[in-house]
Amino acid sequence: DQQVKQNSPSLSVQEGRISILNCDYTNSMFDYFLWYKKYPAEGPTFLISISSIKDKNEDGRFTVFLNKSAKHLSLHIVPSQPGDSAVYFCAATEKETSGSRLTFGEGTQLTVNP
Amino acid sequence: NAGVTQTPKFQVLKTGQSMTLQCAQDMNHEYMSWYRQDPGMGLRLIHYSVGAGITDQGEVPNGYNVSRSTTEDFPLRLLSAAPSQTSVYFCASRRLLSYEQYFGPGTRLTVT
Repeated sequence: DQQVKQNSPSLSVQEGRISILNCDYTNSMFDYFLWYKKYPAEGPTFLISISSIKDKNEDGRFTVFLNKSAKHLSLHIVPSQPGDSAVYFCAATEKETSGSRLTFGEGTQLTVNP
Repeated sequence: NAGVTQTPKFQVLKTGQSMTLQCAQDMNHEYMSWYRQDPGMGLRLIHYSVGAGITDQGEVPNGYNVSRSTTEDFPLRLLSAAPSQTSVYFCASRRLLSYEQYFGPGTRLTVT
């Protein structure tokens, strides 16, 4: 049972435009969400996170939106740059549970074309 | 700070062989974990540890063992390698009260 799903395996955008990556989850107990970015032959790196008590968190060009009623979150990158080309994973967790394991989605390959 | 280090970077095993993937971190993080990444399946948790002497199973623990004798090291043992264990393995660590994990560079394992 895939509790975190990223339904788009790939996304291609032009440099300077907005990139929107989407993520859906099924477990209503998840209360903290994160996005990671992964370049080829490297480990994932943390990008941005959001708590379920918020509906938006912004960090420079990156903004994460959370819609709890729809169990949906999205990552907006504005403006997109060629260096943003990478695989993006969303992840979710229940903060107060033992171990607080992260559950990851399948990833979306973003390609930003110059 | 080296962060999270993993060795080896690449490994080829024959079916039935055993090996240990090494992971070390120098950030004094309590929480360490192992993931495998397979195409179309994202990162799946194999085992994790919330501190020295404490380990627990993740989503896909079968065929793997772990131990945590020190805060710094968290080795992953493959007991009898199978082709289904061909994957890229990532070790990660974080502070117990933080959810931002730091990942190692990965080990690409092929089992023939």
